[in-house]
Amino acid sequence: AQSVTQLDSQVPVFEEAPVELRCNYSSSVSVYLFWYVQYPNQGLQLLLKYLSGSTLVESINGFEAEFNKSQTSFHLRKPSVHISDTAEYFCAVTANTNAGKSTFGDGTTLTVKP
Amino acid sequence: DAGITQSPRHKVTETGTPVTLRCHQTENHRYMYWYRQDPGHGLRLIHYSYGVKDTDKGEVSDGYSVSRSKTEDFLLTLESATSSQTSVYFCAISEGGQASYEQYFGPGTRLTVT
Repeated sequence: AQSVTQLDSQVPVFEEAPVELRCNYSSSVSVYLFWYVQYPNQGLQLLLKYLSGSTLVESINGFEAEFNKSQTSFHLRKPSVHISDTAEYFCAVTANTNAGKSTFGDGTTLTVKP
Repeated sequence: DAGITQSPRHKVTETGTPVTLRCHQTENHRYMYWYRQDPGHGLRLIHYSYGVKDTDKGEVSDGYSVSRSKTEDFLLTLESATSSQTSVYFCAISEGGQASYEQYFGPGTRLTVT
């Protein structure tokens, strides 16, 4: 079994400030880790993923996440946020043994204020 | 963008009536998933498919059935809709294997059961 906990349901932040969205997971097998973003009235879009190798992964729009195996975490960070980053963010874990079933966290709503 | 469409996009139905939601993909991906999204619950897996006529239950499958007779189509049926099934339903697809099970989501179907 696997589970995901997103530690903050809402994160308000001012524009150009740094932000961290926290995600912890548990699994008895090796996993792949993902962050997805959902803008209002849209489906989810992949933001970034960790498969193997370097524990720091980056997205094209300035987000990064670091896989920490000892702490079973995959926190998402951005050094300077924009108004357009306002969205809901979901952390997901997929075990590499169960047909790609993903378990999603409950989501974190990031609100960037001017 | 991955070629995933969902129909209908919005539906209002009465308690006790059957409802079928359709997911159509043009990517020839092996895996297809149905999720429901409710406030405070993130995404919860209803059913998934790992090939034509191969399906399995997710964590919230009671009251739902699925069928996949062609690679490109995955149908979700509510045999007798209840108010607790009012939700936003998302279909997702995944290539699986070395592609690591990252998922691509459709635009969603908003279902209201009165």
